[in-house]
Amino acid sequence: GAVVSQHPSRVICKSGTSVKIECRSLDFQATTMFWYRQFPKQSLMLMATSNEGSKATYEQGVEKDKFLINHASLTLSTLTVTSAHPEDSSFYICSARKTGSETQYFGPGTRLLVL
Amino acid sequence: EDQVTQSPEALRLQEGESSSLNCSYTVSGLRGLFWYRQDPGKGPEFLFTLYSAGEEKEKERLKATLTKKESFLHITAPKPEDSATYLCAVRSNQAGTALIFGKGTTLSVSS
Repeated sequence: GAVVSQHPSRVICKSGTSVKIECRSLDFQATTMFWYRQFPKQSLMLMATSNEGSKATYEQGVEKDKFLINHASLTLSTLTVTSAHPEDSSFYICSARKTGSETQYFGPGTRLLVL
Repeated sequence: EDQVTQSPEALRLQEGESSSLNCSYTVSGLRGLFWYRQDPGKGPEFLFTLYSAGEEKEKERLKATLTKKESFLHITAPKPEDSATYLCAVRSNQAGTALIFGKGTTLSVSS
């Protein structure tokens, strides 16, 4: 159990367009989901925490108007990168925490390349 | 300030050569310590959660232990497929729901 999926796994877009990434917990309910960004050979950087039915909490330095997060159900959270620019190119990973558990389970990641 | 430090940064082993990875932590009230494995281009894969000093957990060739200041991930008779980056993370009372990650140890096992 505890499987998290992400879609798409890889996306290439033009500068100025918006990209939506989905994160789903497939076999458990997740009150809380997290979005991370990872640069090559570096550890994960938390971008925001989202709780089902409420606004996301963003980490310092993360633009909430650029990275829109929606957590509409206990199994789905979405991250929309608005007006993407080449510097937004990165590996985006979501995680989900089982309701009543301390453990976070991670998705496989989405590689975003903005041209 | 909550902090997690992993050592070594990189470790090269021969197949069958057992070793340990270290994760030292300083937190204001530990709610859980987590070990993950991450392969290049993939998301972290959950390995273990430890909650209190003295706790141990095992899975195949891996064994995780926890004291009040550090955790060890012991790898017994590693195989090339154990090559990956191993991440340690903690959740503290102060950090809320967020995990604080170490920078990871990259393990390479050669045959």
